[in-house]
Amino acid sequence: GPKVLQIPSHQIIDMGQMVTLNCDPVSNHLYFYWYKQILGQQMEFLVNFYNGKVMEKSKLFKDQFSVERPDGSYFTLKIQPTALEDSAVYFCASSLGLGVEQYFGPGTRLTVL
Amino acid sequence: GDQVEQSPSALSLHEGTGSALRCNFTTTMRAVQWFQQNSRGSLINLFYLASGTKENGRLKSTFNSKESYSTLHIRDAQLEDSGTYFCAAETEGADRLTFGKGTQLIIQP
Repeated sequence: GPKVLQIPSHQIIDMGQMVTLNCDPVSNHLYFYWYKQILGQQMEFLVNFYNGKVMEKSKLFKDQFSVERPDGSYFTLKIQPTALEDSAVYFCASSLGLGVEQYFGPGTRLTVL
Repeated sequence: GDQVEQSPSALSLHEGTGSALRCNFTTTMRAVQWFQQNSRGSLINLFYLASGTKENGRLKSTFNSKESYSTLHIRDAQLEDSGTYFCAAETEGADRLTFGKGTQLIIQP
């Protein structure tokens, strides 16, 4: 099936530092998403993104978070500054349109020390 | 409360047997996806349903939006079916997936 790639697979950083998580979505997809999963538990929606703009975000999408996709390159999630509670696995997803199947990347495990 | 209630939270099956997982929704959902999360943490798409029933090999899923539930049936379970299964649904008017808490499935020889 369609593949979403995420780089890096693991990232360890010190609290207060900035981190950028990268997502390479399915090539013809137009909608992009970030989700957060803590300790293999429930997956929580963070944000979705279309046509260069955030369409919808949850309360988990703190002011320290930002997303962008400059010129069709990686879809990125930046956290600046990081906090201990940001430790989680972050999953990127993409879809061709609204109300259709979302495809997920393998996740980036972020550890904030 | 949770919009997506998934059950059971854990299930152990012997190879060759089968069972059903279920998600109940507390609000109207327009579609549901089912995923298997494997031991490496990757999410594998199993089904996407806006209504009705789909079947793929030993798996079958049903989504009934009027009665607010979806099921995933597994038959003739194999060892590689072990993992955590999630349902995730799209709320009407929102472009996001709301996930259940998952079912940890263990297949025993």
